[in-house]
Amino acid sequence: DGGITQSPKYLFRKEGQNVTLSCEQNLNHDAMYWYRQDPGQGLRLIYYSQIVNDFQKGDIAEGYSVSREKKESFPLTVTSAQKNPTAFYLCASSTLVGTVNQPQHFGDGTRLSIL
Amino acid sequence: SQQGEEDPQALSIQEGENATMNCSYKTSINNLQWYRQNSGRGLVHLILIRSNEREKHSGRLRVTLDTSKKSSSLLITASRAADTASYFCAAHGSGNTGKLIFGQGTTLQVKP
Repeated sequence: DGGITQSPKYLFRKEGQNVTLSCEQNLNHDAMYWYRQDPGQGLRLIYYSQIVNDFQKGDIAEGYSVSREKKESFPLTVTSAQKNPTAFYLCASSTLVGTVNQPQHFGDGTRLSIL
Repeated sequence: SQQGEEDPQALSIQEGENATMNCSYKTSINNLQWYRQNSGRGLVHLILIRSNEREKHSGRLRVTLDTSKKSSSLLITASRAADTASYFCAAHGSGNTGKLIFGQGTTLQVKP
């Protein structure tokens, strides 16, 4: 079955600790995205990547970092600089036709909490 | 900045009734997409309407787009308890690099 896998489903972070959220897709999509969702809110874009070894900041990139070494993988690191990391994190992927976004496919999210 | 704003924020109806959700956006768009999210899960794409389209249907879903008013609506007909979820619009701005801007969503409860 093709899809996006996020792990872990639940994650806890201690003060001053960096944590990494995994996102893997086997849809052969070029573009991948990380979103943050707070309770009762829509999605806000953290980072996105349209090609391997290249990525761009979204609207709320401060305190986060990403890498795109392989087409299938787009891990997100929540650094200690992110002072309010408690949220639901969603990874998505899509094909691109030129710069036109095709529908995005989402993983089932990682819920990050502070200990 | 967030382009999509939705109303109502919450909607509760009886099974069999129709549900209408509205979305407004701020700038010109290439297309507008609607997604559904069940509690604690990821989003699932429902329907995409391009800027040169005015109406689109998919099963019990009907989406309209009015680019002059910068607004869209999603109609779910003959609702079922299984339609209970949050629904989000997402605007793909013209000229940008593939990013979507999501609205805050409408939470729909369908009572059996």
